[in-house]
Amino acid sequence: GQQLNQSPQSMFIQEGEDVSMNCTSSSIFNTWLWYKQDPGEGPVLLIALYKAGELTSNGRLTAQFGITRKDSFLNISASIPSDVGIYFCAGQRGGGNKLTFGTGTQLKVEL
Amino acid sequence: GAVVSQHPSWVICKSGTSVKIECRSLDFQATTMFWYRQFPKQSLMLMATSNEGSKATYEQGVEKDKFLINHASLTLSTLTVTSAHPEDSSFYICSAGGGQANQPQHFGDGTRLSIL
Repeated sequence: GQQLNQSPQSMFIQEGEDVSMNCTSSSIFNTWLWYKQDPGEGPVLLIALYKAGELTSNGRLTAQFGITRKDSFLNISASIPSDVGIYFCAGQRGGGNKLTFGTGTQLKVEL
Repeated sequence: GAVVSQHPSWVICKSGTSVKIECRSLDFQATTMFWYRQFPKQSLMLMATSNEGSKATYEQGVEKDKFLINHASLTLSTLTVTSAHPEDSSFYICSAGGGQANQPQHFGDGTRLSIL
């Protein structure tokens, strides 16, 4: 099935640094979602975006819905060790419709 | 707290056994639930859409007779892996929600299935 292109694939950063990752698609989505997955667990919703151009924050996390509706980015400010995990973007075309997931970005934080 | 509950969290069984996994929405009604499969170091791949009161919709390449889905109530969907074999070993995750505008999908904690 289709997957969204997510970059970078992995990143190894120092504690306290800011992190940026993005997600691109060849087709339009009406909703963009960002999830974090820890090993052996299901994804946990971080931020949901419903409108093109929307910029939304959740604590140290900020995400934006691209104006073309074909991309989104997620920023994490002042990273801490518990930010370690895999981050997935997901696009949705309408309410009740299935999600298309990105390939994932693995974040590792060095103390 | 969790809004989607999945059970069991881990199953180990012999080849040829059928395994049932439950997915429950805890504080909302879900006419639609989704079942995903995830292999190590890979993303989630949608297997099927579970529809309350009607047949599930399977993604291309997913055997409907192998992966039986029953969505008998507005809060429960089950996935049964029939006659499981080692190649069926994987991490299975369900999600619910997203049925209305501005209502995101939430995921269960997943079920680790290991077939010996």
